[in-house]
Amino acid sequence: NAGVTQTPKFQVLKTGQSMTLQCAQDMNHNSMYWYRQDPGMGLRLIYYSASEGTTDKGEVPNGYNVSRLNKREFSLRLESAAPSQTSVYFCASSDPNYGYTFGSGTRLTVV
Amino acid sequence: SQQGEEDPQALSIQEGENATMNCSYKTSINNLQWYRQNSGRGLVHLILIRSNEREKHSGRLRVTLDTSKKSSSLLITASRAADTASYFCAQRDSSYKLIFGSGTRLLVRP
Repeated sequence: NAGVTQTPKFQVLKTGQSMTLQCAQDMNHNSMYWYRQDPGMGLRLIYYSASEGTTDKGEVPNGYNVSRLNKREFSLRLESAAPSQTSVYFCASSDPNYGYTFGSGTRLTVV
Repeated sequence: SQQGEEDPQALSIQEGENATMNCSYKTSINNLQWYRQNSGRGLVHLILIRSNEREKHSGRLRVTLDTSKKSSSLLITASRAADTASYFCAQRDSSYKLIFGSGTRLLVRP
């Protein structure tokens, strides 16, 4: 089925460890996004990529890096995980005048 | 923060009743979108209304937009237990960013 695929679905890290969250879309969308959602809250934008080859910071970029590998793939990296980064991470993609398509999320716990 | 505000934060209604959720935002928008999130799941796009539109319908959903008041509302008519979820509005500005509100948790009692 067409959509946005995120891996992994669950991850537990120790403080200071690094990891990369993977995201791929097969809808030929130009724009891709990474959000985080904390309990009882809405989504906050971490980074986004308006088109292949470009990336920009969102509301909460500190502690994260991203790579737009190609039009399909947009990865999020935590270089040195902190407990404050415990959250659910969502990747999304879109075309400008349409709604976003979200992945099913990655539940990350940093202990 | 650029986030908008949603009202109410939580809403509990009986099956068959209508549910109305409101959203206010702070900046000029290109469009405004509504999403649903079932517990533990990703977000699902419901409806998009452009800044030059005032009302839009999709099945049992009706969305209004008042750009002069920077506000929008989502009406779900004849609610069902399956409508139980969190509902989020999100504003898209002239960039490609979509900024989400804090959401309304809707409980529809059978």
